[in-house]
Amino acid sequence: DAGITQSPRHKVTETGTPVTLRCHQTENHRYMYWYRQDPGHGLRLIHYSYGVKDTDKGEVSDGYSVSRSKTEDFLLTLESATSSQTSVYFCAIRGGNTGSTGELFFGEGSRLTVL
Amino acid sequence: KQEVTQIPAALSVPEGENLVLNCSFTDSAIYNLQWFRQDPGKGLTSLLLIQSSQREQTSGRLNASLDKSSGRSTLYIAASQPGDSATYLCAVNRGETSGSRLTFGEGTQLTVNP
Repeated sequence: DAGITQSPRHKVTETGTPVTLRCHQTENHRYMYWYRQDPGHGLRLIHYSYGVKDTDKGEVSDGYSVSRSKTEDFLLTLESATSSQTSVYFCAIRGGNTGSTGELFFGEGSRLTVL
Repeated sequence: KQEVTQIPAALSVPEGENLVLNCSFTDSAIYNLQWFRQDPGKGLTSLLLIQSSQREQTSGRLNASLDKSSGRSTLYIAASQPGDSATYLCAVNRGETSGSRLTFGEGTQLTVNP
């Protein structure tokens, strides 16, 4: 158990509304990630963070923003949700410190439906 | 751009059979490769991680191999059981200079029939 909690686990919203997903970790890991999983595309990286206030884009970052104001929380925001953002969102952390094995551990996922 | 391919996309076997899942990647400059299991509606569970300097890793009935030069990894499952039914994903890591990001294959959906 890597101590990762995602919330909410399920959400239904309407097109154009803002949505924020939260990832909380309890083990003070430096690296945190947001992925989305879609049929036919697999898992794709949205954004990641390598420290407080340090974030970078992944391969599918358009329409998403992130914030990390403290080590334990990494927030993913959809400023104006669209139907194409209907997906399952996974948060991940990288275990260990710099120079460690680099193993990633994943949360249980947040299923978002945009109507 | 790194691309990861998993073949076959789906596999159905009788219980007790030994089986091999394949993963190939296009850029051999990897830091490590990780195999995951995903049950329907659940998150990803890490099974095995192989560092780029290693040839294989074993955990119980699972054995993962890595041939970095040819861009291939295999996951061998011995004496398969119905409880092994799940989707298996491989992912390659480009290392800390790239933020330790993972690039995933689309997975192999395994069904083990009693």
